[in-house]
Amino acid sequence: AQSVTQLDSHVSVSEGTPVLLRCNYSSSYSPSLFWYVQHPNKGLQLLLKYTSAATLVKGINGFEAEFKKSETSFHLTKPSAHMSDAAEYFCVVSVYSGGYQKVTFGTGTKLQVIP
Amino acid sequence: EAGVAQSPRYKIIEKRQSVAFWCNPISGHATLYWYQQILGQGPKLLIQFQNNGVVDDSQLPKDRFSAERLKGVDSTLKIQPAKLEDSAVYLCASSGRVLNEQFFGPGTRLTVL
Repeated sequence: AQSVTQLDSHVSVSEGTPVLLRCNYSSSYSPSLFWYVQHPNKGLQLLLKYTSAATLVKGINGFEAEFKKSETSFHLTKPSAHMSDAAEYFCVVSVYSGGYQKVTFGTGTKLQVIP
Repeated sequence: EAGVAQSPRYKIIEKRQSVAFWCNPISGHATLYWYQQILGQGPKLLIQFQNNGVVDDSQLPKDRFSAERLKGVDSTLKIQPAKLEDSAVYLCASSGRVLNEQFFGPGTRLTVL
């Protein structure tokens, strides 16, 4: 069984300040982890992914995430928020088990960026 | 490469009517997913196909929802009859190699009146 918990449903930051969106996961097998972003009335776009290579993963638009197995975490960070970062962010865990890829979405974190 | 295509983009129906959504995944992608995303919530997996076989439909309300993927390529999701609570965005996604990321289509926004 697997699960993913996004610890904050809403995060509010000022433009130019750091962003931290928290994600914890649970998995019986070695997981792949993803962050997706969804802007209002838009589709889901992949930000970055971890698939057992480097634990620090760099994504698009200056985002990065660090896989910490001991803490079962995969938090998303960005050094300086931009107004265009305002969106909903989903943490996703994926495990290959039973012959197929089983995917579980978190409940999402809505990021507000204050000018 | 072309992305995941979905149609229609928007649909408005009355409760108890039927509706169907179509999805064409990225060429060569073996796995296809249908998700339901209710406003303010995360995507909920309805059904997952690997080639033309179903590998997970545990959250599909089978009394009213059905889906098929003929020839392991495009797919159709049907709701019959629709209820008010089916109002949502229906997302289709596909993925290729094992542990690869999902690519999402633009979604179909369904409103049931």
